[in-house]
Amino acid sequence: EVQLVESGGGLVQPGGSLRLSCEASGFTFIRYWMTWVRQAPGKGLEWVANIKQDGSEKYYVDSVKGRFLISRDNAKNSLYLQMNSLRAEDTAVYYCARGAYGGKWDFDYWGQGALVTVSS
Amino acid sequence: DIRMTQSPSSLSASVGDRLTITCRASQSIATYLNWYQQKPGKAPKLLIYGAASLQSGVPSRFSGSGSGTDFTLIISSLQPEDFATYYCQQSFSAPVTFGQGTKLEIK
Repeated sequence: EVQLVESGGGLVQPGGSLRLSCEASGFTFIRYWMTWVRQAPGKGLEWVANIKQDGSEKYYVDSVKGRFLISRDNAKNSLYLQMNSLRAEDTAVYYCARGAYGGKWDFDYWGQGALVTVSS
Repeated sequence: DIRMTQSPSSLSASVGDRLTITCRASQSIATYLNWYQQKPGKAPKLLIYGAASLQSGVPSRFSGSGSGTDFTLIISSLQPEDFATYYCQQSFSAPVTFGQGTKLEIK
C-alpha cells in the first residue's frame, strides 16, 4: 500500500524557517517524481515545487522561488521542503504527492498533509 | 500562467442525480487535464487523468471528457460518498494550476 506521511509542520513567526518531511513507503521511491502542493485555510490547491527522481531537476512556483528548497533522500525514501523567510501567506496545509505514472505534473497519491501556520 | 475556471463553484444535488461539472482553461491544454476529489480534512484523490482516463479503483460512474479548453466531469448517479469538493488541474505547462473547486452538497 502506498503511503506518504508528512511531518514537521507547526507555528512559526514571519521571517522564520521550517523544514517539512515526507516519508514514503509501499512503492519504489526512486522511480517517481515527487511534489509539494499546499492549500491555504478554506482555499484551493496550489502546486509549490517538485523534484525529479534523481534530484537533478527541481521546479518551483514563482511565489516561493529563492525561499523554499525541495530535496530528497532516496536512501531514506524521504522528501523534504526547507522553507525560509516565511510569510503569513505561506500559511497552509502542505501535502506531498507522488507523480503519477512516472510523470511530473499529475499526482496519484497524496499524504495527509502538514499544517504550517506563519503568525506572530 | 494558465487559468483554470470551474463552474459552478457550488451546487446542491440529490443521491441518484446525474451531475456535470465544467472546467475551462485560459488557453489550449490538449487533454492534459486531471480531476481530483477532496473530502473535508482529507487529501485530494485523483479521479480522472488525461481528461478521460479513469484512475485505478475509481468507480465507473465517474467520467471525464473534453480537449483544448473545455472539459467536463460527469457523475452518472450520485452516491452519498460523492459529496465533496472537486478540482480540475492542468498538467500541460508549468506552473501547473488548479481550478477554484466545485463544492457538491446534499440537497
